[in-house]
Amino acid sequence: GAGVSQSPSNKVTEKGKDVELRCDPISGHTALYWYRQSLGQGLEFLIYFQGNSAPDKSGLPSDRFSAERTGGSVSTLTIQRTQQEDSAVYLCASSHGQGIYEQYFGPGTRLTVT
Amino acid sequence: GDSVTQMEGPVTLSEEAFLTINCTYTATGYPSLFWYVQYPGEGLQLLLKATKADDKGSNKGFEATYRKETTSFHLEKGSVQVSDSAVYFCALSDFMTTDSWGKLQFGAGTQVVVTP
Repeated sequence: GAGVSQSPSNKVTEKGKDVELRCDPISGHTALYWYRQSLGQGLEFLIYFQGNSAPDKSGLPSDRFSAERTGGSVSTLTIQRTQQEDSAVYLCASSHGQGIYEQYFGPGTRLTVT
Repeated sequence: GDSVTQMEGPVTLSEEAFLTINCTYTATGYPSLFWYVQYPGEGLQLLLKATKADDKGSNKGFEATYRKETTSFHLEKGSVQVSDSAVYFCALSDFMTTDSWGKLQFGAGTQVVVTP
């Protein structure tokens, strides 16, 4: 079956612009996670969704970052007023639910802020 | 807070050599432990996992044993192939701790290069 998909695969934006990154989880997966992979910080957790609610936003680095999930499916991560330090690969993962379930990762969106 | 430390790379090996990647962790609760692999140009994939002390996870010839007494989860493979060239990440998730939500805490990753 289809895996986790993310779009765009690459995004180059100018400093100060807003960007939206999209994640389509595996159908039926209720849990969705966003992570960020950068050279300086490694792989970091950003936010967790269970259904449409986000009980854990503790990893969002600043209030310029926000995310939503609609219909218990697609999620969008929005970064406002992008900065160069936002350059990274943004990864989305989904799983059957909270707990000891395997997280399936998407291919990521590589964001470059110039 | 919880953290994962793994050996720095790159690790360069010849085909059929023995591979060990060290991983240690600190956690306030009783975490589950994972190894994820990222092949060139591909996404992260779960390689193996262990959910309690003395459990051994295994897959594709790789093994790792959950050692609570040494807080370690070292990855081993007896005979590597060129196709094992990848970045390997050790990770933990403390499902038993309130508010953990199953999120993964990753180590820095270890690049492994296997030459013919």
